[in-house]
Amino acid sequence: QSVLTQPPSVSGAPGQRVTISCSGSGSNIGAGFDVHWYQQLPGTAPTLLIFGNTNRPSGVPDRFSASKSGTSASLAITGLQAEDEADYYCQSYDTSLSASYVFGTGTKVTVV
Amino acid sequence: QVQLQESGPRLVKPSETLSLTCNISGGSISSYYWSWIRQPPGKGLEWIGYVYNLGGTNYNPSLKSRLTISVDTSKNQFSLKLRSVTAADTAVYYCARTIDYGDYYFDFWGQGALVTVSS
Repeated sequence: QSVLTQPPSVSGAPGQRVTISCSGSGSNIGAGFDVHWYQQLPGTAPTLLIFGNTNRPSGVPDRFSASKSGTSASLAITGLQAEDEADYYCQSYDTSLSASYVFGTGTKVTVV
Repeated sequence: QVQLQESGPRLVKPSETLSLTCNISGGSISSYYWSWIRQPPGKGLEWIGYVYNLGGTNYNPSLKSRLTISVDTSKNQFSLKLRSVTAADTAVYYCARTIDYGDYYFDFWGQGALVTVSS
């Protein structure tokens, strides 16, 4: 199991705001390592959504935003759209026994 | 923009070696780090390891004893070899460009290759 914990699922109506949490510890997010976020549409490869805690790559809509505080991070989607229905993963680095780049457990966003 | 494409056998027998190659187009392999990442069916993502210019590597400690990642700059490709596989190694294997941002993240991904370990 991952050292970064996300809620298994979140849902919202079109136009609403949803947030996804990524809970870590002092050996990863709390140690100052950056958090990055990925979106995985059904049946496709992940794509980079946010890098360096808060930065959007070119082409990512500004309704996606993210933040980091303490041992946690969060991703917010404002103005939820049907095309946002996907799995979302956070990613950071962990310095515990098996030091490695680690992904969160993943969150399925459903647009109801 | 850079594109990545995984290739290799999709069915591997238990105890044998899983081998995949990632071909890079639209950019040079020499300027970046390059990772393998896998995703078992219906599960989350696991970073396997990366290779960088001149062949330096960094591996996931949980896989390190079975793993070799290498680079062929003349062919603009890099490769994964995972030895002594079991059913637990069945997954979609992705190659990804890896950005050194102080920390590392993955900005371009291949489409993925489903590799099944079965006799």
